Amino acid sequence: GAVVSQHPSRVICKSGTSVKIECRSLDFQATTMFWYRQFPKQSLMLMATSNEGSKATYEQGVEKDKFLINHASLTLSTLTVTSAHPEDSSFYICSARRDGTNYGYTFGSGTRLTVV
Amino acid sequence: DAKTTQPNSMESNEEEPVHLPCNHSTISGTDYIHWYRQLPSQGPEYVIHGLTSNVNNRMASLAIAEDRKSSTLILHRATLRDAAVYYCILRDVGGTSYGKLTFGQGTILTVHP
Repeated sequence: GAVVSQHPSRVICKSGTSVKIECRSLDFQATTMFWYRQFPKQSLMLMATSNEGSKATYEQGVEKDKFLINHASLTLSTLTVTSAHPEDSSFYICSARRDGTNYGYTFGSGTRLTVV
Repeated sequence: DAKTTQPNSMESNEEEPVHLPCNHSTISGTDYIHWYRQLPSQGPEYVIHGLTSNVNNRMASLAIAEDRKSSTLILHRATLRDAAVYYCILRDVGGTSYGKLTFGQGTILTVHP
């Protein structure tokens, strides 16, 4: 159990357009999900904490108007990169943990975003 | 956030045990010690976690020092598939952090055939 599905795995978009990335917990409920960004040869950087039914909590330095997060249900969180620019090209990863447990976190397989 | 310190890299031979150290001298009483590993171009994979007592699962063992200021991830018999970046992370279950995980630089484990 504890599978997190992230879609798409790869996306190429033109500069100025928006891209939506989905993160689904397939076999468990997750009130809280997390979004990370990872540049080549670097560690994961936490961008924001996504909470079902409420506003996301963004880490310092992350533009909330550029990275829109929606957590509309207990199994789905979405990250929309608005007005994407080449510097937004990165590997985006989501994670979730089964509600009411002290299990470890499950991560999605990541989305490689390339903005051209 | 309480921080962890890990060696940048370690090497091992296949079939041999591997001990990956992690220092967390500023750990608080509510911090769980989590370990994850990441292969290139993939999301991290959960390995093991614990609070005070040593823990074992099918993937690895976690040895936690009595004062909890350090821990060691033990891979009993390394395989080529264990080559990855290993992250030691403290997860705070208290306050308003929502239990977020903050990643450090991790240890790059190379396994030689």
